[in-house]
Amino acid sequence: TQLLEQSPQFLSIQEGENLTVYCNSSSVFSSLQWYRQEPGEGPVLLVTVVTGGEVKKLKRLTFQFGDARKDSSLHITAAQPGDTGLYLCAGARTNAGKSTFGDGTTLTVKP
Amino acid sequence: NAGVTQTPKFQVLKTGQSMTLQCAQDMNHNSMYWYRQDPGMGLRLIYYSASEGTTDKGEVPNGYNVSRLNKREFSLRLESAAPSQTSVYFCASSRFSGGLETQYFGPGTRLLVL
Repeated sequence: TQLLEQSPQFLSIQEGENLTVYCNSSSVFSSLQWYRQEPGEGPVLLVTVVTGGEVKKLKRLTFQFGDARKDSSLHITAAQPGDTGLYLCAGARTNAGKSTFGDGTTLTVKP
Repeated sequence: NAGVTQTPKFQVLKTGQSMTLQCAQDMNHNSMYWYRQDPGMGLRLIYYSASEGTTDKGEVPNGYNVSRLNKREFSLRLESAAPSQTSVYFCASSRFSGGLETQYFGPGTRLLVL
């Protein structure tokens, strides 16, 4: 059973476009994290959200945690080729270990 | 600090062979994890260790064993490799701050079982 569903699975856009990727679940999480993984490397943490309705911004990236803490979105403004990678969300049921990962969204930004 | 290191980077095995994947972290973290990542899929937890001397099964533990040798090192062993274990294996360690966990991942070991 996949607890976290990410969509879309693949996304290919032109440089300068905006995009949103989603992470949805029927379960409530105490916190949710977004990672970016580049080819041949391990995932790197981008952000952690913990409060329902929370919005965090990281330069051109905006992360939102749903009010019910079951879903999250990542919005990228004016995408750049350097944003290319696999974006993974991970939810934790408690604030201690054993996060569940989604299958990821593979983003390609063409120059 | 090197962070999380994994060896080897690549490995090819024949069905039935055994091998151990090594992982070490120099960040003094208590918790360490082993994940596998298959094409089109996210990370699936194999085993984790909340502290030195303890290990617990994750989502997909069958066919694997682990050893938390000390606080720094957490190894993953395949006793009799099968083609279904072809995957990329990631080790991670984590720290807790303000009730939140941050995981740091190694670069991965790419394993092909023929």
